[in-house]
Amino acid sequence: GAVVSQHPSRVICKSGTSVKIECRSLDFQATTMFWYRQFPKQSLMLMATSNEGSKATYEQGVEKDKFLINHASLTLSTLTVASAHPEDSSFYICSATRDGNYGYTFGSGTRLTVV
Amino acid sequence: DAKTTQPPSMDCAEGRAANLPCNHSTISGNEYVYWYRQIHSQGPQYIIHGLKNNETNEMASLIITEDRKSSTLILPHATLRDTAVYYCISPNAGNMLTFGGGTRLMVKP
Repeated sequence: GAVVSQHPSRVICKSGTSVKIECRSLDFQATTMFWYRQFPKQSLMLMATSNEGSKATYEQGVEKDKFLINHASLTLSTLTVASAHPEDSSFYICSATRDGNYGYTFGSGTRLTVV
Repeated sequence: DAKTTQPPSMDCAEGRAANLPCNHSTISGNEYVYWYRQIHSQGPQYIIHGLKNNETNEMASLIITEDRKSSTLILPHATLRDTAVYYCISPNAGNMLTFGGGTRLMVKP
């Protein structure tokens, strides 16, 4: 079945530094990738949608200059949290799809803690 | 906005069938219904999806009403490891999956 690898699974960084999270589709080409954020005891909140080779589409209220998304190939998307602050601490999850009708596969998530 | 509504929580006895309902009265005729579950601190796990016909796989069965306004996910013999948050979702325009609150299923011994 379709597999999405997300790395790292856990990261602790100092306030003001940047953190990059990678999302790879291992056995299929992902035309579209999605990034979510999840706070404790809450549901997943869609942050942005990215298509290979084009700029990401951000949801309302998500700062594109802070959450930089690059979807350079059909198998890799990255999310960079720029100048992270403690309020950016959260669980970040990526998802990839070849085509909506083929389903959506999620990564295992990245626990970001900014100290 | 999520196009589905689910009860916030449900309990089920171990070994019994867990029936999780979902209302999706506003989805259009060509929009699939997907079910995922999330165990604490993990990414969502795919369970099953369907369009019009009932579906069954090794994990669960999906019963979709004829008018497609609602569906039920059935875990035939729930185990303690099935305790999770279950999400019923239908893609928005642009194939985006927007999550609602889901149903927190607690399987009890």
